[in-house]
Amino acid sequence: RKEVEQDPGPFNVPEGATVAFNCTYSNSASQSFFWYRQDCRKEPKLLMSVYSSGNEDGRFTAQLNRASQYISLLIRDSKLSDSATYLCVVAPNTNAGKSTFGDGTTLTVKP
Amino acid sequence: GAVVSQHPSRVICKSGTSVKIECRSLDFQATTMFWYRQFPKQSLMLMATSNEGSKATYEQGVEKDKFLINHASLTLSTLTVTSAHPEDSSFYICSASGTGRDRWSYEQYFGPGTRLTVT
Repeated sequence: RKEVEQDPGPFNVPEGATVAFNCTYSNSASQSFFWYRQDCRKEPKLLMSVYSSGNEDGRFTAQLNRASQYISLLIRDSKLSDSATYLCVVAPNTNAGKSTFGDGTTLTVKP
Repeated sequence: GAVVSQHPSRVICKSGTSVKIECRSLDFQATTMFWYRQFPKQSLMLMATSNEGSKATYEQGVEKDKFLINHASLTLSTLTVTSAHPEDSSFYICSASGTGRDRWSYEQYFGPGTRLTVT
């Protein structure tokens, strides 16, 4: 079993749709959680960190469920520009700071 | 957010030559830098983790004598692909995480990547 697992996708949705991605992690000692997006042939860019209480940034909402060891990302009112691969990232709270990346979920938003 | 640069962005070299890739954190001190490789339509694969002033820790299956990593300062790490072969052709990406004791030290900021083609 992988340390971080994501919905396999791909997700193909129309503009304006709401889409949700889930991610599960196996290391219960994990402390820091992030969502990154990666456009084709580009580097990953930090989308948002995930707080214990859940957090929202515009159309994006991230949730953390420590008991079930999963993280979610909700995108409302999808835009064409949201098309990308979304990476779930889990990090231990140690000085090593080594993060584990999920394989990513590909989203395509269509007109 | 923090800025990480990577140079060169693209390199084409002949088989058997060595290629050096630089990764710099421009506006923060990076105690830890990571080197990844990504093949087309595949996920990021961590190659090694380097902490400033110490030897890099390589992931299983990554040859440390082939992929030389130097992290001599808090703003610069280099990856040298020695005696490159066509199978080393890939997208190499570095990332850096900063100093500090708060949780944001674990956010990684990525360089724009280097596309290596070995002919």
